[in-house]
Amino acid sequence: QSVLTQPPSVSGAPGQRITISCTGSSSNIGANQDVHWYQQLPGAAPKLLIYGNSNRPSGVPDRFSGSKSGTSASLSITRLQAEDEADYYCQSYDSSLFWVFGGGTKLTVL
Amino acid sequence: QVQLQESGPGLVKPSGTLSLTCAVSGASISSRNWWSWVRQPPGKGLEWIGEIYESGSTNYNPALKSRVTISVDKSKNQFSLNLNSVTAADTAMYYCARGEQQVVMGAFDAWAHGTMVTVSS
Repeated sequence: QSVLTQPPSVSGAPGQRITISCTGSSSNIGANQDVHWYQQLPGAAPKLLIYGNSNRPSGVPDRFSGSKSGTSASLSITRLQAEDEADYYCQSYDSSLFWVFGGGTKLTVL
Repeated sequence: QVQLQESGPGLVKPSGTLSLTCAVSGASISSRNWWSWVRQPPGKGLEWIGEIYESGSTNYNPALKSRVTISVDKSKNQFSLNLNSVTAADTAMYYCARGEQQVVMGAFDAWAHGTMVTVSS
C-alpha cells in the first residue's frame, strides 16, 4: 500500500479533460509539504511534470495543471491527446518516511 | 543540461550485494542538491530508496535502511548505491535522480534512463 493514494486508472477521449487525485495524510501533504507530479511514458524514465503543487517546468504544456487542498492534490490534463497516454505519479515529503510516491495512475486515451 | 548515467551489474545472486554507480555530467554534484536512488519493480510503481547530499549526509527509506548504503565521490562527480542481502523482491529497474533545491523545490528534475537489475542464481 502506498502512502499516497491514487486511482489505478483513468481514461478519457481526445480533447476531453481528466483529473487524477492523490490523497495523503497529516504527515505529508497535510503537513504543508509540496506535491510533485511525474509522467512516465512506456519504457521511459519518469519526467517531472508539475513541481511545488502547481508549477510547470519549462517545456511542459499548459494543458497540464496541478492543485492542492488539505491532505489531497490533483493533476488535471485538458485537451487530452493520444501522446498523454502514460503512467502518472504524485510525490511528497513525509515526516517519517522522507520521499513517498503514489501508487501511480495509468491514463488511457480512448 | 544535467545528465545522469547509471552503471553496474545487471544480475546479482540472492544474498549478494547490488552495487550501482550514477555518473553526473553537465552539473557539479557539489551544487547544493540532493541525489536520490529510486527503483521500480516490473509492472509496479516507484519506490524511493534513499538520497545523499554533497556533504555526505544521507536519508534512507526506513523499509530498506538496514540494507542500504549511499555514498558520494565528489572527485568523480558520482554517487553510488549498495544494497545488501538481496532477494528476488529487489529485482527492479533502478534510477538515479537529482532532487533540485533551488528552482523546483526538491522535485526530481533529472533522471537517468534506468538500469535493470535482476536477482537470480
